[in-house]
Amino acid sequence: SQTIHQWPATLVQPVGSPLSLECTVEGTSNPNLYWYRQAAGRGLQLLFYSVGIGQISSEVPQNLSASRPQDRQFILSSKKLLLSDSGFYLCATDTEAFFGQGTRLTVV
Amino acid sequence: KQEVTQIPAALSVPEGENLVLNCSFTDSAIYNLQWFRQDPGKGLTSLLLIQSSQREQTSGRLNASLDKSSGRSTLYIAASQPGDSATYLCAVHFTGNQFYFGTGTSLTVIP
Repeated sequence: SQTIHQWPATLVQPVGSPLSLECTVEGTSNPNLYWYRQAAGRGLQLLFYSVGIGQISSEVPQNLSASRPQDRQFILSSKKLLLSDSGFYLCATDTEAFFGQGTRLTVV
Repeated sequence: KQEVTQIPAALSVPEGENLVLNCSFTDSAIYNLQWFRQDPGKGLTSLLLIQSSQREQTSGRLNASLDKSSGRSTLYIAASQPGDSATYLCAVHFTGNQFYFGTGTSLTVIP
């Protein structure tokens, strides 16, 4: 069965600092992978999705970027965090959606 | 652009009532639709998954239906309990490899 590992679980970062959230998948090959963000009081917003190594599609213009260096690895990054980047970030695969446990990011 | 909408945004019912949550989507070209619950401060729990070829799925007191032609799904919860209180999310996997969530319905079941 599929398992998604996402870390860290919580993160507090100062404004202007870089960010790297990592997601790895086990139990499947060539998955479609997704990054979502849930800002306070709002729904889950699709940020990026990837259908394969090096293939990234962005849904919304933003301060973040994503990369997929390996088949089962999906990374969410930022060079300089903004206060508005605070939120709950989820990595997921599809078919039958599996989610990581999420990362609660607070930018201070 | 594909969109997923859920109504109502919030719902409060007394314990024991049956209730229906609604989800609508703008494009009938989907792989599947999934209902989740999200408890405060926690991740998502998958409740029911309906494939594109199916009309409904049942699990215990939960029943989810899918009408692709009208772009609608409902989640029916029978004999609601206080432990059912949570935010319920509908998620649609469109055939363009995009997987969108609705904004959720916050359910409170009053003892």
